[in-house]
Amino acid sequence: ELKVEQNPLFLSMQEGKNYTIYCNYSTTSDRLYWYRQDPGKSLESLFVLLSNGAVKQEGRLMASLDTKARLSTLHITAAVHDLSATYFCAVNTDKLIFGTGTRLQVFP
Amino acid sequence: DVKVTQSSRYLVKRTGEKVFLECVQDMDHENMFWYRQDPGLGLRLIYFSYDVKMKEKGDIPEGYSVSREKKERFSLILESASTNQTSMYLCASSFNILPNEQYFGPGTRLTVT
Repeated sequence: ELKVEQNPLFLSMQEGKNYTIYCNYSTTSDRLYWYRQDPGKSLESLFVLLSNGAVKQEGRLMASLDTKARLSTLHITAAVHDLSATYFCAVNTDKLIFGTGTRLQVFP
Repeated sequence: DVKVTQSSRYLVKRTGEKVFLECVQDMDHENMFWYRQDPGLGLRLIYFSYDVKMKEKGDIPEGYSVSREKKERFSLILESASTNQTSMYLCASSFNILPNEQYFGPGTRLTVT
Protein backbone atom coordinates (compact mmCIF):
# COMPACT_ATOMS: atom_id res chain seq x y z
CA GLU A 1 0.00 0.00 0.00
CA LEU A 2 1.35 3.37 -1.00
CA LYS A 3 2.12 5.66 1.90
CA VAL A 4 2.88 9.34 1.58
CA GLU A 5 4.45 11.05 4.55
CA GLN A 6 5.10 14.71 5.01
CA ASN A 7 7.19 16.41 7.61
CA PRO A 8 6.93 18.48 9.51
CA LEU A 9 3.21 18.36 10.16
CA PHE A 10 3.27 21.83 11.59
CA LEU A 11 5.70 24.62 10.89
CA SER A 12 5.79 28.00 12.53
CA MET A 13 8.34 30.30 10.97
CA GLN A 14 9.32 33.90 11.07
CA GLU A 15 8.98 36.14 8.06
CA GLY A 16 12.14 36.29 6.01
CA LYS A 17 13.34 32.82 6.98
CA ASN A 18 13.87 29.80 4.72
CA TYR A 19 12.58 26.31 5.31
CA THR A 20 11.91 23.02 3.52
CA ILE A 21 8.93 20.69 3.69
CA TYR A 22 9.63 17.04 2.89
CA CYS A 23 7.40 14.51 1.20
CA ASN A 24 8.42 10.85 1.23
CA TYR A 25 6.51 8.11 -0.51
CA SER A 26 6.78 4.37 -0.36
CA THR A 27 6.43 3.10 -3.92
CA THR A 28 7.58 3.92 -7.41
CA SER A 29 5.94 6.91 -9.00
CA ASP A 30 7.09 9.58 -11.39
CA ARG A 31 4.23 11.96 -10.79
CA LEU A 32 3.97 14.18 -7.78
CA TYR A 33 1.79 17.18 -7.10
CA TRP A 34 1.86 19.96 -4.55
CA TYR A 35 -1.31 21.69 -3.42
CA ARG A 36 -2.08 24.58 -1.13
CA GLN A 37 -5.17 24.84 1.04
CA ASP A 38 -6.25 27.98 2.90
CA PRO A 39 -8.46 27.52 5.98
CA GLY A 40 -12.01 26.62 5.02
CA LYS A 41 -11.13 26.61 1.35
CA SER A 42 -10.48 23.99 -1.29
CA LEU A 43 -7.17 22.81 -2.73
CA GLU A 44 -5.26 24.90 -5.21
CA SER A 45 -2.68 23.28 -7.46
CA LEU A 46 0.84 24.65 -7.02
CA PHE A 47 3.22 22.34 -8.87
CA VAL A 48 3.17 19.26 -11.05
CA LEU A 49 6.43 17.28 -11.11
CA LEU A 50 6.58 14.60 -13.78
CA SER A 51 10.13 13.29 -13.90
CA ASN A 52 13.19 12.59 -11.83
CA GLY A 53 15.10 15.78 -11.18
CA ALA A 54 12.15 18.01 -12.04
CA VAL A 55 12.31 21.42 -10.40
CA LYS A 56 9.57 24.03 -10.52
CA GLN A 57 9.56 27.50 -9.01
CA GLU A 58 6.83 30.02 -8.42
CA GLY A 59 7.63 33.10 -6.42
CA ARG A 60 9.06 32.11 -3.04
CA LEU A 61 8.24 28.42 -3.48
CA MET A 62 10.37 25.84 -5.22
CA ALA A 63 9.51 22.17 -5.57
CA SER A 64 11.77 19.32 -6.62
CA LEU A 65 11.43 15.60 -7.21
CA ASP A 66 13.92 12.77 -6.70
CA THR A 67 12.18 9.59 -7.84
CA LYS A 68 15.10 7.38 -6.88
CA ALA A 69 14.96 8.56 -3.29
CA ARG A 70 11.15 8.74 -3.46
CA LEU A 71 11.38 12.24 -2.10
CA SER A 72 9.99 15.61 -3.00
CA THR A 73 10.80 18.88 -1.30
CA LEU A 74 8.98 22.19 -1.15
CA HIS A 75 11.41 24.95 -0.31
CA ILE A 76 10.23 28.27 1.04
CA THR A 77 12.50 31.26 0.55
CA ALA A 78 12.16 34.43 2.65
CA ALA A 79 8.72 33.51 3.95
CA VAL A 80 5.92 36.06 4.04
CA HIS A 81 2.63 35.96 5.93
CA ASP A 82 0.65 35.28 2.73
CA LEU A 83 2.27 31.86 2.50
CA SER A 84 0.46 30.73 5.67
CA ALA A 85 -1.64 27.74 4.61
CA THR A 86 -1.62 23.96 4.64
CA TYR A 87 0.51 22.32 1.94
CA PHE A 88 -0.15 18.84 0.63
CA CYS A 89 1.92 16.63 -1.57
CA ALA A 90 0.17 13.91 -3.54
CA VAL A 91 1.57 10.94 -5.43
CA ASN A 92 -0.14 9.39 -8.41
CA THR A 93 -0.04 5.66 -9.10
CA ASP A 94 -3.44 4.50 -10.29
CA LYS A 95 -5.01 7.13 -8.05
CA LEU A 96 -3.87 10.16 -6.12
CA ILE A 97 -2.64 9.52 -2.59
CA PHE A 98 -2.26 12.59 -0.41
CA GLY A 99 0.21 13.26 2.32
CA THR A 100 -1.03 14.32 5.72
CA GLY A 101 -0.35 17.97 5.03
CA THR A 102 1.99 20.54 6.55
CA ARG A 103 0.36 23.45 8.25
CA LEU A 104 2.56 26.50 7.78
CA GLN A 105 2.22 29.59 9.91
CA VAL A 106 4.39 32.60 9.12
CA PHE A 107 4.60 35.28 11.78
CA PRO A 108 6.20 38.75 11.74
CA ASP B 1 -9.61 28.38 -16.39
CA VAL B 2 -10.92 25.05 -15.18
CA LYS B 3 -14.02 25.40 -13.12
CA VAL B 4 -15.32 22.74 -10.77
CA THR B 5 -18.47 23.70 -8.93
CA GLN B 6 -20.29 21.98 -6.10
CA SER B 7 -23.97 22.43 -5.42
CA SER B 8 -23.71 23.60 -1.82
CA ARG B 9 -21.01 25.12 0.37
CA TYR B 10 -22.75 24.17 3.59
CA LEU B 11 -25.36 21.51 4.21
CA VAL B 12 -27.08 20.31 7.38
CA LYS B 13 -29.00 17.04 7.26
CA ARG B 14 -30.60 14.72 9.77
CA THR B 15 -29.54 11.16 10.48
CA GLY B 16 -31.19 8.74 8.08
CA GLU B 17 -31.83 11.27 5.32
CA LYS B 18 -30.74 10.61 1.77
CA VAL B 19 -28.23 13.25 0.73
CA PHE B 20 -27.14 14.27 -2.75
CA LEU B 21 -23.94 16.20 -3.39
CA GLU B 22 -23.54 17.46 -6.92
CA CYS B 23 -20.35 18.31 -8.76
CA VAL B 24 -20.06 19.87 -12.21
CA GLN B 25 -16.92 20.58 -14.25
CA ASP B 26 -16.72 22.61 -17.42
CA MET B 27 -13.44 21.39 -18.94
CA ASP B 28 -14.58 18.17 -20.59
CA HIS B 29 -12.47 16.14 -18.16
CA GLU B 30 -12.86 12.38 -18.38
CA ASN B 31 -12.01 11.72 -14.73
CA MET B 32 -13.96 12.84 -11.70
CA PHE B 33 -13.38 12.14 -8.02
CA TRP B 34 -15.02 12.48 -4.64
CA TYR B 35 -12.93 12.88 -1.49
CA ARG B 36 -13.69 13.56 2.10
CA GLN B 37 -11.36 15.55 4.31
CA ASP B 38 -11.24 15.14 8.06
CA PRO B 39 -8.83 16.67 10.59
CA GLY B 40 -5.89 14.37 11.20
CA LEU B 41 -6.92 11.99 8.42
CA GLY B 42 -6.19 14.10 5.38
CA LEU B 43 -8.00 13.51 2.10
CA ARG B 44 -9.46 10.11 1.45
CA LEU B 45 -10.86 8.94 -1.85
CA ILE B 46 -14.47 7.76 -1.75
CA TYR B 47 -15.27 7.04 -5.41
CA PHE B 48 -14.00 7.99 -8.81
CA SER B 49 -15.11 7.72 -12.39
CA TYR B 50 -13.11 7.48 -15.62
CA ASP B 51 -16.04 7.83 -17.95
CA VAL B 52 -19.75 8.31 -18.14
CA LYS B 53 -21.66 5.57 -16.34
CA MET B 54 -18.41 4.14 -15.00
CA LYS B 55 -17.47 4.19 -11.34
CA GLU B 56 -14.74 2.74 -9.18
CA LYS B 57 -14.54 2.40 -5.42
CA GLY B 58 -11.90 4.38 -3.65
CA ASP B 59 -10.55 3.76 -0.19
CA ILE B 60 -13.70 4.45 1.84
CA PRO B 61 -16.80 3.73 -0.28
CA GLU B 62 -18.96 2.28 2.51
CA GLY B 63 -22.15 4.25 3.04
CA TYR B 64 -21.81 6.10 -0.26
CA SER B 65 -22.78 5.62 -3.87
CA VAL B 66 -22.20 7.73 -6.98
CA SER B 67 -23.81 8.50 -10.28
CA ARG B 68 -22.32 9.78 -13.51
CA GLU B 69 -24.97 10.07 -16.19
CA LYS B 70 -23.27 12.94 -18.02
CA LYS B 71 -19.59 13.61 -18.54
CA GLU B 72 -19.63 16.94 -16.73
CA ARG B 73 -21.58 15.85 -13.67
CA PHE B 74 -20.65 13.49 -10.84
CA SER B 75 -23.00 13.00 -7.92
CA LEU B 76 -22.22 11.59 -4.50
CA ILE B 77 -25.11 9.98 -2.65
CA LEU B 78 -25.34 9.23 1.04
CA GLU B 79 -28.07 6.61 1.12
CA SER B 80 -28.81 7.06 4.82
CA ALA B 81 -26.76 9.81 6.38
CA SER B 82 -25.05 9.12 9.68
CA THR B 83 -23.24 11.41 12.08
CA ASN B 84 -19.87 9.88 11.16
CA GLN B 85 -20.37 11.23 7.66
CA THR B 86 -20.09 14.77 8.93
CA SER B 87 -17.13 16.05 6.96
CA MET B 88 -15.83 18.30 4.21
CA TYR B 89 -16.50 16.75 0.80
CA LEU B 90 -14.32 17.73 -2.12
CA CYS B 91 -14.94 17.00 -5.76
CA ALA B 92 -12.12 17.01 -8.32
CA SER B 93 -11.69 16.37 -12.04
CA SER B 94 -8.81 15.72 -14.43
CA PHE B 95 -7.96 14.75 -17.98
CA ASN B 96 -7.05 11.16 -18.73
CA ILE B 97 -3.64 12.16 -20.06
CA LEU B 98 -0.56 13.54 -18.38
CA PRO B 99 -0.13 15.51 -16.29
CA ASN B 100 -3.44 14.21 -14.84
CA GLU B 101 -3.53 17.24 -12.62
CA GLN B 102 -6.66 17.25 -10.50
CA TYR B 103 -8.68 20.44 -10.12
CA PHE B 104 -10.77 20.77 -7.02
CA GLY B 105 -14.15 22.29 -6.34
CA PRO B 106 -14.79 24.64 -3.40
CA GLY B 107 -15.99 21.84 -1.13
CA THR B 108 -19.22 21.08 0.71
CA ARG B 109 -19.17 21.07 4.47
CA LEU B 110 -21.80 18.55 5.47
CA THR B 111 -23.10 18.28 9.02
CA VAL B 112 -25.31 15.34 9.94
CA THR B 113 -27.23 15.80 13.19
